Amino acid sequence: AQTVTQSQPEMSVQEAETVTLSCTYDTSESDYYLFWYKQPPSRQMILVIRQEAYKQQNATENRFSVNFQKAAKSFSLKISDSQLGDAAMYFCAYSGNTDKLIFGTGTRLQVFP
Amino acid sequence: GAVVSQHPSWVICKSGTSVKIECRSLDFQATTMFWYRQFPKQSLMLMATSNEGSKATYEQGVEKDKFLINHASLTLSTLTVTSAHPEDSSFYICSARGPPGIYNEQFFGPGTRLTVL
Repeated sequence: AQTVTQSQPEMSVQEAETVTLSCTYDTSESDYYLFWYKQPPSRQMILVIRQEAYKQQNATENRFSVNFQKAAKSFSLKISDSQLGDAAMYFCAYSGNTDKLIFGTGTRLQVFP
Repeated sequence: GAVVSQHPSWVICKSGTSVKIECRSLDFQATTMFWYRQFPKQSLMLMATSNEGSKATYEQGVEKDKFLINHASLTLSTLTVTSAHPEDSSFYICSARGPPGIYNEQFFGPGTRLTVL
């Protein structure tokens, strides 16, 4: 069975600084997708970034980028130039052959002015 | 595009009553929808996968007679919590599988907070 592990329950960063959230996963599948979702206090799940496993190039979306290490089964999220609005819960998620999303336990990010 | 709505956004009911939650894909057809449950400060737990026109597939440990799921059309899935009890109080979130071209991406509804007294 696939698992997703987020080892950082909480992280904090100062506004304008950079922070990296960690995620590791375990799978025997060769074709899959990885996601980072943001859940602000409103609890609406928002897709931040996605990565196809067959692509070697790391995905980037404006201030958000990932470091995808397939062999190490690692998928970290880097947030550059952090903003107060980035404060939220961040969930790493895996989707493989079954189309189900398997979520990690989440990392609460605090952003200080 | 790819907007998912849920209704109601919150509901309070008495123990023993049933509550229905609707999940709609507003601007696309969703053959597959998913229902999640989220306890405070915890992650999302998949309850069931709902496919249009067929029976839902429930995750292990989820009572299918307790949580009735119906996916009667390509834009609507409903979750009915039957004979609700206080332990069913939670935040319920639905998602819909994206349209062709957005493979494996799920779009989430805003959630429904259920409180059972």
